Amino acid sequence: AQSVSQHNHHVILSEAASLELGCNYSYGGTVNLFWYVQYPGQHLQLLLKYFSGDPLVKGIKGFEAEFIKSKFSFNLRKPSVQWSDTAEYFCAVEGEGTYKYIFGTGTRLKVLA
Amino acid sequence: DVKVTQSSRYLVKRTGEKVFLECVQDMDHENMFWYRQDPGLGLRLIYFSYDVKMKEKGDIPEGYSVSREKKERFSLILESASTNQTSMYLCASILAGDNEQFFGPGTRLTVL
Repeated sequence: AQSVSQHNHHVILSEAASLELGCNYSYGGTVNLFWYVQYPGQHLQLLLKYFSGDPLVKGIKGFEAEFIKSKFSFNLRKPSVQWSDTAEYFCAVEGEGTYKYIFGTGTRLKVLA
Repeated sequence: DVKVTQSSRYLVKRTGEKVFLECVQDMDHENMFWYRQDPGLGLRLIYFSYDVKMKEKGDIPEGYSVSREKKERFSLILESASTNQTSMYLCASILAGDNEQFFGPGTRLTVL
């Protein structure tokens, strides 16, 4: 079955700590991968995406993610978080060209000032 | 800047009522989507549409229908609302050939 797993449901960090959020997927075919973020009271917005090429992709606000095909993973990282990174983060997979997106259950990140 | 708007931010309905949720995008996107977002479950696709009058079921279409009479507008219909349809409903759109979804602000629906 096609699925996306985000292992961390709630993460609490202090400012300047490093962040890594896990995302694993199960899909029988070529995929496009995404991380979306939802800041409190705001719309979901795209953080970064991977289609092909360099497996290390950089997104907005200093975030990056690495696609490891052999592990079916697309983990999100940031070297030093800020209070303003407090948000809910969603990993998503799209079967290439299908427009059917599968989202993970989300990770709520709280950054303490 | 793409704008996706949803008709209501908050809606309260009674069990058995027919409910219409409207979504409008202003960037001539071909593809539009309806999701519901529930705590601990993430976003789940209800229906999507890749063209006017065209629709495809997502993962949880039961109890819902959709209508796309115009390219910019995609409506989600709850024929007979039930309490288990209390949720946040998100609309999104994508330009054909692209992959970035643009989301609306959401409609928080409560069914009493």
